[in-house]
Amino acid sequence: SQQGEEDPQALSIQEGENATMNCSYKTSINNLQWYRQNSGRGLVHLILIRSNEREKHSGRLRVTLDTSKKSSSLLITASRAADTASYFCATDNGYNTNAGKSTFGDGTTLTVKP
Amino acid sequence: DGGITQSPKYLFRKEGQNVTLSCEQNLNHDAMYWYRQDPGQGLRLIYYSQIVNDFQKGDIAEGYSVSREKKESFPLTVTSAQKNPTAFYLCASSSGRATSGTDTQYFGPGTRLTVL
Repeated sequence: SQQGEEDPQALSIQEGENATMNCSYKTSINNLQWYRQNSGRGLVHLILIRSNEREKHSGRLRVTLDTSKKSSSLLITASRAADTASYFCATDNGYNTNAGKSTFGDGTTLTVKP
Repeated sequence: DGGITQSPKYLFRKEGQNVTLSCEQNLNHDAMYWYRQDPGQGLRLIYYSQIVNDFQKGDIAEGYSVSREKKESFPLTVTSAQKNPTAFYLCASSSGRATSGTDTQYFGPGTRLTVL
């Protein structure tokens, strides 16, 4: 079964609005990462948050992590049409392994209408 | 220009044929990964390698094979034993030097394989 699951599956908003996507996972983690994928392309890393962190910012991105609820959220503020993409969370297995496996969820497909 | 490349971008295979997908990186990364992505779904791990001459099966290794003879290269062979190989294949690499958890992975542009 998936370690990370995104919600909602699809999200459609107008340009300028904020977009919030959520990720839930089942077992403890060392860190959680968010990636973006434009249609038909490879994934691009957005942000990594460690298990001892609660919030991180990068430009218009804000990521939160609640380890007690085993969940994370990605907020994109002031969205643009160019933010249209699929967004995935990726988690590790909680062990202190070097270059361990990441488990990806099924993603949230975001459409930003101009 | 550092990065990770995959070739070809599109690949067509007849049933019963083996095909090999190329993945090359010049990032000096120790770890490399192969994922399969089906439409509307996430990534599933096929194989990964943390060091040259060593690799491990991922979650869906059946019908696939890999080699890691050079640090820069991690080719994936889709064999005739893979019953439903039509998918988008993504290769990734990471430094492999994370002290805990997982590294950031850098992805190639992908290869779309279609079985005719």
